[in-house]
Amino acid sequence: DAKTTQPTSMDCAEGRAANLPCNHSTISGNEYVYWYRQIHSQGPQYIIHGLKNNETNEMASLIITEDRKSSTLILPHATLRDTAVYYCIVRSFSSNTGKLIFGQGTTLQVKP
Amino acid sequence: GAVVSQHPSRVICKSGTSVKIECRSLDFQATTMFWYRQFPKQSLMLMATSNEGSKATYEQGVEKDKFLINHASLTLSTLTVTSAHPEDSSFYICSASLFPGQLNTEAFFGQGTRLTVV
Repeated sequence: DAKTTQPTSMDCAEGRAANLPCNHSTISGNEYVYWYRQIHSQGPQYIIHGLKNNETNEMASLIITEDRKSSTLILPHATLRDTAVYYCIVRSFSSNTGKLIFGQGTTLQVKP
Repeated sequence: GAVVSQHPSRVICKSGTSVKIECRSLDFQATTMFWYRQFPKQSLMLMATSNEGSKATYEQGVEKDKFLINHASLTLSTLTVTSAHPEDSSFYICSASLFPGQLNTEAFFGQGTRLTVV
C-alpha cells in the first residue's frame, strides 16, 4: 500500500478555508485517495475520495496534482465542529478487500 | 450514507473474562467487515478482515485465538476478546463497505466500542 505523509497538526481560524496537504508519492495508477476524519472518541467519518480529477461534495473539495503524488483537502469555511484528526489514505484493492490503512493523520484545530 | 452500528458503545469487564462486540450493517449487506483497534492518542490499527461464511484474515502480530471473529451473516460480525487483560483496554472500531471489491466506494465506520478491563 502506498504510504502517505501529512503534517502532524494545523490551526485554522473559524470561517476561513482549511487546506490540509497530503503526500503520496508512491501511489499506483489504480489507487484512490480517500479522506476521513475522526472527532474525539467517535468512529471515522468519510469525507471525500478521488482518483485523478478534482472532486467536490457538500463537505469538502479534493485537489489532486496532475502527477497524483500529492493532494489537498479543502474545507471551504471551517467551523469549530471541524476540529478533528484528518486522515489521508491511499486505498489499495489488493486481495479484493479494499481495506483502509490509517497513518497518523493531521490534527486540525479550528480556533474562534 | 450507509449505517454501521456497534454494540455496546462502552464496556467494563474484569480481567480474565471475555467480551463480545457486535458490528451490524443496518441498511446494506456486508460480505466483508474490518476490525480496528485504537489506543489513546494513536491512529487506528487494522486488526483483521472479517469475511462472511469463512475464516477471518488477521494482520501480522494480531493473535487470532485472542481476538475471535465471527461473521455468520451478511449484516453481523462479532469480535470476542477472550481472557481480557488490562492491556486489551482500547477503542475497537469496525467498518464495512457497500461493495468491498469495487475501486470507487467508501467504507463506513461504526461509532466504536470503548473497552476497559479492570
